[in-house]
Amino acid sequence: DGGITQSPKYLFRKEGQNVTLSCEQNLNHDAMYWYRQDPGQGLRLIYYSQIVNDFQKGDIAEGYSVSREKKESFPLTVTSAQKNPTAFYLCASIQANTEAFFGQGTRLTVV
Amino acid sequence: AQSVTQLGSHVSVSEGALVLLRCNYSSSVPPYLFWYVQYPNQGLQLLLKYTSAATLVKGINGFEAEFKKSETSFHLTKPSAHMSDAAEYFCAVSDSNYQLIWGAGTKLIIKP
Repeated sequence: DGGITQSPKYLFRKEGQNVTLSCEQNLNHDAMYWYRQDPGQGLRLIYYSQIVNDFQKGDIAEGYSVSREKKESFPLTVTSAQKNPTAFYLCASIQANTEAFFGQGTRLTVV
Repeated sequence: AQSVTQLGSHVSVSEGALVLLRCNYSSSVPPYLFWYVQYPNQGLQLLLKYTSAATLVKGINGFEAEFKKSETSFHLTKPSAHMSDAAEYFCAVSDSNYQLIWGAGTKLIIKP
């Protein structure tokens, strides 16, 4: 079955630590996105990529980094510069003029 | 720039009552419009989409939405609410450049 897989489902980060969230898709979609969700704040765009080896900052990119070395993969690194990383992170992929497909999300908690 | 407005961060209805979730968009050209549902601690799932075919779009779980160009609206309805409909619902607009513009979401509460 085609879809998007995010891992892990739950992730705990210590202060000052970088962590990487995985997102893999087998839908052959060109574009991939990372969103952050906080209670009552909807979806906020962190980064997106419309083609391999290219990506763009979204509205809240500070403290995050991404790579797009393969069409199928778009990992997100939450760096120590992100002072408030506790949130629910969603990855999505899309082809032009079609709907977005979402992964099941990763809940990141700072401990 | 395009924008999407969902009226009401929370909507409460009784089980069996009509569900109406409002979405208005700003766009100078007919857009692609979507409604998604999100259950707690899960990703978003597509309910339905408008892609310039029929203006009344039927989706999963008994939901439907009507595209009204004159009102720039795409409200989501269901004739009879069920307890399992309790979730957060998001309206989105797609432009021609892969970008999705999201509404802030509406949490649907079902009263027994």
